[in-house]
Amino acid sequence: TQLLEQSPQFLSIQEGENLTVYCNSSSVFSSLQWYRQEPGEGPVLLVTVVTGGEVKKLKRLTFQFGDARKDSSLHITAAQPGDTGLYLCANTNAGKSTFGDGTTLTVKP
Amino acid sequence: KAGVTQTPRYLIKTRGQQVTLSCSPISGHRSVSWYQQTPGQGLQFLFEYFSETQRNKGNFPGRFSGRQFSNSRSEMNVSTLELGDSALYLCASSPGGTGKNIQYFGAGTRLSVL
Repeated sequence: TQLLEQSPQFLSIQEGENLTVYCNSSSVFSSLQWYRQEPGEGPVLLVTVVTGGEVKKLKRLTFQFGDARKDSSLHITAAQPGDTGLYLCANTNAGKSTFGDGTTLTVKP
Repeated sequence: KAGVTQTPRYLIKTRGQQVTLSCSPISGHRSVSWYQQTPGQGLQFLFEYFSETQRNKGNFPGRFSGRQFSNSRSEMNVSTLELGDSALYLCASSPGGTGKNIQYFGAGTRLSVL
């Protein structure tokens, strides 16, 4: 079983601050996905990283895939209340996604 | 393109009853996967169907079953409900072909077992 460990589990910050959340594993992945989930809704795909060392940007969100393809990070610049949610990393293979436990982010105005 | 649609959004059942949840995938997607999400266990994989065949299965008891129709729509059934089955049940679809397995999720069905 390929386990994904996310940290921190909870994060509460003020609007305008920067933050980084992490997704780590002892396994090598062909790709990793990042999702954001709001209460009572399904996860929404943010990005897929595929190449070791890859950096992808989505507005204020920066995603990085580790050189060895065992870990990934999500950095948010100048967080806004709309960024509040559960951030999940996942690996998908043959119709089955394995998820980390997620980071619950709260951004206070 | 319409997204993944799950019905109903909310359900309340009592112990011992059975329930059927429905999922309509994104048009053209042939793979449908089901997940259970609870505060304590996170997102847990139930099973995946591709072209009407169960292709992958998680570690859930036989009370949890599913099926997929020729139009790729899928249903999940839980029999003899237990209090611990209270959860958000999520369906995800993907094209299903080689290398085309990124999953897109529906809004889920919130099941409460009393």
